[in-house]
Amino acid sequence: GESVGLHLPTLSVQEGDNSIINCAYSNSASDYFIWYKQESGKGPQFIIDIRSNMDKRQGQRVTVLLNKTVKHLSLQIAATQPGDSAVYFCAEKPHEKLTFGTGTRLTIIP
Amino acid sequence: DTGVSQDPRHKITKRGQNVTFRCDPISEHNRLYWYRQTLGQGPEFLTYFQNEAQLEKSRLLSDRFSAERPKGSFSTLEIQRTEQGDSAMYLCASSESPEAFFGQGTRLTVV
Repeated sequence: GESVGLHLPTLSVQEGDNSIINCAYSNSASDYFIWYKQESGKGPQFIIDIRSNMDKRQGQRVTVLLNKTVKHLSLQIAATQPGDSAVYFCAEKPHEKLTFGTGTRLTIIP
Repeated sequence: DTGVSQDPRHKITKRGQNVTFRCDPISEHNRLYWYRQTLGQGPEFLTYFQNEAQLEKSRLLSDRFSAERPKGSFSTLEIQRTEQGDSAMYLCASSESPEAFFGQGTRLTVV
């Protein structure tokens, strides 16, 4: 969804379930994408990245999917844990700088 | 220390004062970025360095802001004549390519 002012899109997931966070990026020239996790009061933490010549990449409990046709990126988190509660940002890199998308606040319900 | 280090973590200053923040990147990372983040928003790009050269500056970086990376290692971000609108988290990131890793940020509050 779109964020308006201070209202981040939110997603609540039961502990142990899988979650999917979506992101639309803007620049068709972007060739590299990163997902970051940001906890309150901390800097963004690198989770997983993907290059534009791939459409899927898997890490530990996380999978990133890239659909270049519709400029869409998603982050799947398997078997969510309370520590996964945070704001998640996607970022695109068309040249040398990262441009961040709208964050999503993920809340894990115990 | 293997991460990006920022100092101070918190800074409270009176409007009109100057402040300076420091960033120590991951060793041997040649690119260093500064971002600003306000509550509920994603980080916004301010400027970046390739070694000691400042290669790009955002329009957000008014003439009250200046950044340096004199020896291609640590960087400083100075804000002169601070305004209440400067209150934000200032984030530094470093990159060898292509991954970029962030520090914990400096939280600036202008009162």
